[in-house]
Amino acid sequence: KQEVTQIPAALSVPEGENLVLNCSFTDSAIYNLQWFRQDPGKGLTSLLLIQSSQREQTSGRLNASLDKSSGRSTLYIAASQPGDSATYLCAVIGAQGGSEKLVFGKGTKLTVNP
Amino acid sequence: EPEVTQTPSHQVTQMGQEVILRCVPISNHLYFYWYRQILGQKVEFLVSFYNNEISEKSEIFDDQFSVERPDGSNFTLKIRSTKLEDSAMYFCASSTARQNIQYFGAGTRLSVL
Repeated sequence: KQEVTQIPAALSVPEGENLVLNCSFTDSAIYNLQWFRQDPGKGLTSLLLIQSSQREQTSGRLNASLDKSSGRSTLYIAASQPGDSATYLCAVIGAQGGSEKLVFGKGTKLTVNP
Repeated sequence: EPEVTQTPSHQVTQMGQEVILRCVPISNHLYFYWYRQILGQKVEFLVSFYNNEISEKSEIFDDQFSVERPDGSNFTLKIRSTKLEDSAMYFCASSTARQNIQYFGAGTRLSVL
């Protein structure tokens, strides 16, 4: 059974700092990995999707990498801003059996202090 | 930008009552999903739906749950007889293709008293 873990559970940084959020998954047979942002009491906003054949994806100040064989992904946020404060979730879709379900980690709660 | 719309944003119900949560997926999407998030816990998959059929469901999605696409735009989740433990945030999502990016709505917070 796929398990997704995100470390740390919470992170507090000063504005302007570059930071890395970590995600690990137990079963490397994934179809893709998606990073989301969740603001308090709100829905999930898709940030980046990496296919299993890709190593990284970039969108603006965000860069996500994937090392499928070791079961790891990182989300790099450059020049962090207070508006980046949110919970960041990673989720994977398994490659076996044509599964469509996203399996989520518990998230990393990021606070960027002005 | 097109978005997934969920109504209501908050639903309060008494234990044992039936509730229907509503979703309008993005218009050209063909795959639909329900997830839930109990307070402080992970987001969990409930069910996926394509071509008017359930394509995958989790062990959480028992006989108390059902899904329907009653018309060309709405996608609903029904809980027949709510329990206290059904209290959670329920998210609807949609996608253009299987295993493609899933776009989520803002969620419905269900409180069972």
